[in-house]
Amino acid sequence: AQSVTQLGSHVSVSEGALVLLRCNYSSSVPPYLFWYVQYPNQGLQLLLKYTSAATLVKGINGFEAEFKKSETSFHLTKPSAHMSDAAEYFCAVSEGTSYGKLTFGQGTILTVHP
Amino acid sequence: EAQVTQNPRYLITVTGKKLTVTCSQNMNHEYMSWYRQDPGLGLRQIYYSMNVEVTDKGDVPEGYKVSRKEKRNFPLILESPSPNQTSLYFCASRRGNEQFFGPGTRLTVL
Repeated sequence: AQSVTQLGSHVSVSEGALVLLRCNYSSSVPPYLFWYVQYPNQGLQLLLKYTSAATLVKGINGFEAEFKKSETSFHLTKPSAHMSDAAEYFCAVSEGTSYGKLTFGQGTILTVHP
Repeated sequence: EAQVTQNPRYLITVTGKKLTVTCSQNMNHEYMSWYRQDPGLGLRQIYYSMNVEVTDKGDVPEGYKVSRKEKRNFPLILESPSPNQTSLYFCASRRGNEQFFGPGTRLTVL
């Protein structure tokens, strides 16, 4: 069975600082991995996805994530945080095929301080 | 504009009063699903549908029903709502490996 663990339910950074949101997954077959962002009172928006091509994936708004099979991780990073990045972020895994069921992590709320 | 719409966006009801949350997509997607979002638990899948007249249970189907009579619509039905179904609900449709989410329905059951 597949699962996702996001380390840290809340992360707080200063504007301009590095953003690092951690995600570890469990999957019995090669996974497809996703990061979604949810702004207040809105639905989820896809930030980026890993589908077995390049291990370093670039997404929207300057975010990127690196797939590390040996560490079963897919951490999300952004070099310089902006106030508009404040939101909740969800990591998700789909096992075996990109059409498979999505399993979400618990979510990480990112706060950005001036 | 390609989108997934849900109605209502907000609903307060009482225990036992049947309700339906509608979901519609205009992208001709075959795969649709319902999730509920609760603090600290992320999104959990309630039901999904691979195509018209094809539905199956997700991780938390108890207390919910769905139907898929036409491709664009996938309503979520709560026959007898209970307070533990107070949550934020999202409908989604899927093209390939990308899901498109609706804006959410915040349901409170008193």
